[in-house]
Amino acid sequence: AQSVTQLDSQVPVFEEAPVELRCNYSSSVSVYLFWYVQYPNQGLQLLLKYLSGSTLVKGINGFEAEFNKSQTSFHLRKPSVHISDTAEYFCAVREMIQGAQKLVFGQGTRLTINP
Amino acid sequence: SAVISQKPSRDICQRGTSLTIQCQVDSQVTMMFWYRQQPGQSLTLIATANQGSEATYESGFVIDKFPISRPNLTFSTLTVSNMSPEDSSIYLCSVLQSSYNEQFFGPGTRLTVL
Repeated sequence: AQSVTQLDSQVPVFEEAPVELRCNYSSSVSVYLFWYVQYPNQGLQLLLKYLSGSTLVKGINGFEAEFNKSQTSFHLRKPSVHISDTAEYFCAVREMIQGAQKLVFGQGTRLTINP
Repeated sequence: SAVISQKPSRDICQRGTSLTIQCQVDSQVTMMFWYRQQPGQSLTLIATANQGSEATYESGFVIDKFPISRPNLTFSTLTVSNMSPEDSSIYLCSVLQSSYNEQFFGPGTRLTVL
């Protein structure tokens, strides 16, 4: 069984500072990795995904993430955050479980940008 | 990308009643899912809605409580039956678009049970 761990439930950051949101997963097989963002009172929006190839993936709004197979991590980063980045961020893993595709989410990290 | 709409967007219901949530996709998709997001928590998969057959439920979710229909490749419904305050959550419809290898989510239905 797979699990996704987001190590920080809340991350407060000052505007224009860099940020890293951590995500670790446990899986014995190849997985697809995703980061989703949920702005207040809205649905989920895909930020970026790793399927294969380059381990550094770039997404929307200036975010990027690096897949590290040896450390089973997929941390999300942004070099300079903006007030509008305040949201809940979810790391997710998709793999085949008993013949079915399953997307499993981490607990979420609430990113708060302070002026 | 797939565009997903859900109805209703929110509702306040009385204990013991049932609510049916509709999910409409603008294109045919092979896989549709229903998730629950309890207040302040992450998303939990309720079931996979299978076209033309019974839904596949995750551990902890049963058909009597959450009956699901999927009459075609663009539409599905989730019913929350015999509701209690513990059912107060956001319910999200999701589809897997194979061509993009991405899973898209609807805007959610915010349910409050009094």
